[in-house]
Amino acid sequence: SYELTQPPSVSVSPGQTASITCSGDKLGDKYACWYQQKPGQSPVLVIYQDDKRPSGIPERFSGSNSGNTATLTISGTQAMDEADYYCQAWGSSTVLFGGGTKLTVL
Amino acid sequence: EVQLVESGGGLVQPGGSLRLSCAASGFTFSSYWMHWVRQAPGKGLVWVSHINSDGSSTTYADSVKGRFTISRDNAKNTLYLQMNSLRAEDTAVYYCARDGIGSTHYFDYWGQGTLVTVSS
Repeated sequence: SYELTQPPSVSVSPGQTASITCSGDKLGDKYACWYQQKPGQSPVLVIYQDDKRPSGIPERFSGSNSGNTATLTISGTQAMDEADYYCQAWGSSTVLFGGGTKLTVL
Repeated sequence: EVQLVESGGGLVQPGGSLRLSCAASGFTFSSYWMHWVRQAPGKGLVWVSHINSDGSSTTYADSVKGRFTISRDNAKNTLYLQMNSLRAEDTAVYYCARDGIGSTHYFDYWGQGTLVTVSS
C-alpha cells in the first residue's frame, strides 16, 4: 500500500528556515498539501496543490513537490510556528496522510 | 463564514454503535465532497471516509470498511458517520472536513472534532 513518510521531528532556531519533507513513491506525480496542527486545535491547511497558500497563511510558508519528495519550507520561522505538520496526498481514490512532524522552535 | 460542527461523540462499549453528525453552514453544502478524519490520542491524522457531493459515491479506509457508513442530507446541510461494531482502536477525535472546490482532495475547512471513546 502507498505510504507517505515524514521525519518525526525537526528543530529550528527562531528566524531560521525550517524544511519538512514528505516522501512517497512518485509523489511528484500527485498533488501534495500540508496541514499545521497546534495542541488541542483542529488542523489548518497551510499549503495545497504543492505550492499554493490559502488566504490568511503567511508568505513565509511555501511548498514544493518533485520526484519522490514534497517539502514544506518555513522561512524566518517564528515561535508561533511550533506545531505538528502533516502532509497529505490523494491516491487510488483514497486520502493518504503522512505520520506527522513535530516542529520545535528553540 | 464556513462552519463545521460535529456532535454525537461519547463513551460506548466495544461492539456498540454511535452516529456522528456534522452540521455545515456558510457555504453551499451540496456542492462539496466531505470527509471524516480521525486522530487517536497522541497520534497522527487518519482518513476514515469520504462522500461525493450528491451522496452517490462513498469510499472507506480498510480499517472501517463494513463497519462504518458515511451519508449526507443535503437538505439539512448535514454529514453523518454511522459507526457499528466499535472497537477500542476506534477511540479517537473524529473530524469532519470539507474537500476543496472541484473535488481537489485537500481539506480547506475542518470542524472542531468530537471525541469517541470505546471502552468497557
